[in-house]
Amino acid sequence: EAGVTQFPSHSVIEKGQTVTLRCDPISGHDNLYWYRRVMGKEIKFLLHFVKESKQDESGMPNNRFLAERTGGTYSTLKVQPAELEDSGVYFCASSPFGGGGYTFGSGTRLTVV
Amino acid sequence: AQKVTQAQTEISVVEKEDVTLDCVYETRDTTYYLFWYKQPPSGELVFLIRRNSFDEQNEISGRYSWNFQKSTSSFNFTITASQVVDSAVYFCALSPLNAGGTSYGKLTFGQGTILTVHP
Repeated sequence: EAGVTQFPSHSVIEKGQTVTLRCDPISGHDNLYWYRRVMGKEIKFLLHFVKESKQDESGMPNNRFLAERTGGTYSTLKVQPAELEDSGVYFCASSPFGGGGYTFGSGTRLTVV
Repeated sequence: AQKVTQAQTEISVVEKEDVTLDCVYETRDTTYYLFWYKQPPSGELVFLIRRNSFDEQNEISGRYSWNFQKSTSSFNFTITASQVVDSAVYFCALSPLNAGGTSYGKLTFGQGTILTVHP
């Protein structure tokens, strides 16, 4: 079974530019989560999809962040325009409906300069 | 609100020493899950263990063991006879159970403990 795939693995962009991160969950997993770790701090929840619907987006920092999950498969997280404080590692995770494995991807390291 | 505290920011040990990573949590939920994850230098988050709040039995898996004490809201992790490959950042995390008691909610993580095992 393929795991959770995230790309790119690294991205360096200039302040003000746009970046789109992608997450492919494990096939069949209804739940998809985005998390972020900034500068050695704790990993913080951003949002949770159940299929294509946003179940909880309470962790999204501001309206520069837009997450989508069209068709309930892969998800994208767009940051527009990027700011310096957006630098960090963005993790995606998925889990099946009804519980079971909660699997994380390898993360995307975003650096805004 | 939920909170997870890993008071040890960094720990350094010599190979073969035992090491315990502390985790203290706060939650108003009566049912919840606790997790430990390992983040090696390669960056991915590796699942180590999940424990639900109904089960206070300690668990051992090879050189790893976990001590869950509900009375003190702690879920500590011990590595016995540490090895260089154990060097990583270790995260403790907490999530509620949903209304159906089956699916995980969002995870609340601690700040992580950097473990360095020297040869």
